[in-house]
Amino acid sequence: QKEVEQNSGPLSVPEGAIASLNCTYSDRVSQSFFWYRQYSGKSPELIMSIYSNGDKEDGRFTAQLNKASQYVSLLIRDSQPSDSATYLCAVGTGTASKLTFGTGTRLQVTL
Amino acid sequence: EAGVTQFPSHSVIEKGQTVTLRCDPISGHDNLYWYRRVMGKEIKFLLHFVKESKQDESGMPNNRFLAERTGGTYSTLKVQPAELEDSGVYFCASSALGTSTDTQYFGPGTRLTVL
Repeated sequence: QKEVEQNSGPLSVPEGAIASLNCTYSDRVSQSFFWYRQYSGKSPELIMSIYSNGDKEDGRFTAQLNKASQYVSLLIRDSQPSDSATYLCAVGTGTASKLTFGTGTRLQVTL
Repeated sequence: EAGVTQFPSHSVIEKGQTVTLRCDPISGHDNLYWYRRVMGKEIKFLLHFVKESKQDESGMPNNRFLAERTGGTYSTLKVQPAELEDSGVYFCASSALGTSTDTQYFGPGTRLTVL
C-alpha cells in the first residue's frame, strides 16, 4: 500500500463545473496536508494547506480533511481551462517535516 | 522576493560521471529540502537541512549521493558516480523556521539524464 494514494486520472471536467480530487494517506500521525498544482515541466506550486478536520476555503478552492477516515480532498469550483494541471497531494507528520507525495491526479478542464 | 532557484535546469551526463546540482533557497529560509521524481513515480524525499545541519537524510538512496549546505545558505547535491537509475527531476524546496505552518516552496527542478 502506498503511503499517499491518488487516482492518476486524467479527470476530465467541463469548464465551469466542480472538479473533485481525492487523496488517502496511511500514516495516522500525519498532521499537515497540502495540495500542490504542477504544470508540465514546472515546479509544484502550493495552492492549499489544511491542518484541522473540516473544510478550508480559499477563493475557488476548498480543501476537506477527515483524519478519522485518513482522507483529504480538493474541490475546484467554476473550473477553468487554466486549472488543467497535475494536482499533487502531500502529507507531513509535523512542523518542518518531510513531505510524502502521491503520484498526482491529472486534471483536464474542457471547453 | 525571489523564489527557490536551481541550477542547472537540465544536465545530461554519462554513467560513471559526476554531477553537482545547486539550490538557492528563499532568503531567510533555514529549512532546505531535496526531493527527487523518477519518471512515472511520485516525488520522493531525499534529505532535509536546518541551516547547515542535516536534520533528516533518511531518503538518500546510497553513498553515491552527497549533500552539503555551506554556511546555511545554498546547497549542493553531488552524485558520484552517476548511474542510469539516478535519472529524474531533482527538486529543492525551502521553508521558514519557527513558524506555525510549514509551507515548503519548491524550485523549478533540475532534470538529470544519465546515459
